[in-house]
Amino acid sequence: AQSVTQPDIHITVSEGASLELRCNYSYGATPYLFWYVQSPGQGLQLLLKYFSGDTLVQGIKGFEAEFKRSQSSFNLRKPSVHWSDAAEYFCAVANPTSGTYKYIFGTGTRLKVLA
Amino acid sequence: EPEVTQTPSHQVTQMGQEVILRCVPISNHLYFYWYRQILGQKVEFLVSFYNNEISEKSEIFDDQFSVERPDGSNFTLKIRSTKLEDSAMYFCASSGQIKYYEQYFGPGTRLTVT
Repeated sequence: AQSVTQPDIHITVSEGASLELRCNYSYGATPYLFWYVQSPGQGLQLLLKYFSGDTLVQGIKGFEAEFKRSQSSFNLRKPSVHWSDAAEYFCAVANPTSGTYKYIFGTGTRLKVLA
Repeated sequence: EPEVTQTPSHQVTQMGQEVILRCVPISNHLYFYWYRQILGQKVEFLVSFYNNEISEKSEIFDDQFSVERPDGSNFTLKIRSTKLEDSAMYFCASSGQIKYYEQYFGPGTRLTVT
């Protein structure tokens, strides 16, 4: 079955430190990949997306993600975390060969930022 | 910047009652979706809607659920007889004809069933 795994439920980093959030997927083909951020009580905001081409994609708020086909991964990174980055982060995938457009979400990683 | 809106932001209802959650997708979008997020859990797909019909639904989307696009702007999710386990955040999303894989999410409606 198709699945998305975010191995880290919680991550705590100090402000100014670098960040990497992991996402692994299980699909027959290369899926479309997304990262969303959800602040408390808020909706889902798209950070970045990968459809094809350059495997390193840049997003908003200084985030980037790298697609690695060999590892079935799409990890999110930020070189220097700000306190306002504290939120929950969701990786999502869509299967372009299935004929449907639904997203499958990971379980999320909650990021805490220490001052 | 255009955005998806949802009303109400919070709905409290008694078990067995019917609720209608409303969404206004981005105006030129053609694909519409509902997702739900039970507290502390991941976001789950419920249903997708295109060309005035359901294009896909999950196993969660049983006979108590229905969707409708009653006019050119609104997209609704109806839950006929709510259960305690329907308590969740419900997100509406929409996508356009060209970038159909790029879904824009609304802020959500928190449904509490008592």
